Amino acid sequence: AQSVSQHNHHVILSEAASLELGCNYSYGGTVNLFWYVQYPGQHLQLLLKYFSGDPLVKGIKGFEAEFIKSKFSFNLRKPSVQWSDTAEYFCAVTLNAGKSTFGDGTTLTVKP
Amino acid sequence: GAGVSQSPRYKVAKRGQDVALRCDPISGHVSLFWYQQALGQGPEFLTYFQNEAQLDKSGLPSDRFFAERPEGSVSTLKIQRTQQEDSAVYLCASSRGWGNTGELFFGEGSRLTVL
Repeated sequence: AQSVSQHNHHVILSEAASLELGCNYSYGGTVNLFWYVQYPGQHLQLLLKYFSGDPLVKGIKGFEAEFIKSKFSFNLRKPSVQWSDTAEYFCAVTLNAGKSTFGDGTTLTVKP
Repeated sequence: GAGVSQSPRYKVAKRGQDVALRCDPISGHVSLFWYQQALGQGPEFLTYFQNEAQLDKSGLPSDRFFAERPEGSVSTLKIQRTQQEDSAVYLCASSRGWGNTGELFFGEGSRLTVL
């Protein structure tokens, strides 16, 4: 069965610091990869996705992620975080067109 | 409405009670998913519908859990004889196309507490 690991459970950064959140998955075939974000008091929403093509994917609010097939990784990055980026971030993997498997999430706290 | 709507937002049930959670997806969305999210964990897949057909129910934890989407729009997740371990947030998500070929649009969830 596929699984998703997010190694950072809680990350605390100051504004303007750079961010990288790790995501590894355990399936060797073709996958679709997603990052979702949940701001305090809001529902989960899509940050970015990768299906094929350029392994460097750009999403909303200055976020990007890089798919490295050999490492089974899809890490999320942002060069300079803002206080408004405080949220919980979830990596997800989908095989074909079926269900998504989510990681346990990383809580990001950005100090002003 | 513009987004996925779930009701009730909060439900407290006594152990052994039956509960029903409703999901109203975005109009025209073909696919509908139910997830269970325990405290401190990511969403765990429960079941998936394509229109009215339940294509995957492999994530339902036991036969006490039942989901339906009879007319291919609104869906109901029913939990019979609730137990304390059923306490979680139940998330509904819909998708425009077949399966999860793109973005999942989530509702705000129904938080179930079983006493």
